[in-house]
Amino acid sequence: EADIYQTPRYLVIGTGKKITLECSQTMGHDKMYWYQQDPGMELHLIHYSYGVNSTEKGDLSSESTVSRIRTEHFPLTLESARPSHTSQYLCASSETSGTFSQQYFGPGTRLTVT
Amino acid sequence: QQPVQSPQAVILREGEDAVINCSSSKALYSVHWYRQKHGEAPVFLMILLKGGEQKGHDKISASFNEKKQQSSLYLTASQLSYSGTYFCGTDLLTGANNLFFGTGTRLTVIP
Repeated sequence: EADIYQTPRYLVIGTGKKITLECSQTMGHDKMYWYQQDPGMELHLIHYSYGVNSTEKGDLSSESTVSRIRTEHFPLTLESARPSHTSQYLCASSETSGTFSQQYFGPGTRLTVT
Repeated sequence: QQPVQSPQAVILREGEDAVINCSSSKALYSVHWYRQKHGEAPVFLMILLKGGEQKGHDKISASFNEKKQQSSLYLTASQLSYSGTYFCGTDLLTGANNLFFGTGTRLTVIP
């Protein structure tokens, strides 16, 4: 059973605030991902990591940053939130970076910036 | 580089069949299929590797035509639990498992 957690599940915050979205997995997976998904729309990869101290930008440009200091933890930070950042953010992990590896998704954080 | 899915939405009665298509303009390494129910995380269904193999998962199966860069998801004898949005995710020839997801197909099964 996949165990990947995200907190908070919902966040409403004012413009200009700094926020960190937490993502943790207990499966020991090397590869982790962050996706952005607007309601009813496709998922876009914004960040990924192959392992500790590895972070890469995805295909969708994002003003957020990520870090990977521990295998199990992959937080996403927005230094100054804007209304355009309003979206759902999904964290995922996979056992390897190989193409045969399914991705396990967390429940998501629904972010609203007012 | 996002794949194109069709149809965008479909409504079925219980027991009916459906086909969801996923097409890419790029050469593919594999195609992943996920189902997402409203307000929930996407859940993995299956991975199709190049070679045209067909895979099955209960009454849900899929095929991958690597020459056409297309995959199709087949849902037979649909159940109420099949309702949700189906996404295909394509892995380009890098094989890095960085997926480009389609726009989704919203499937609604009614009694």
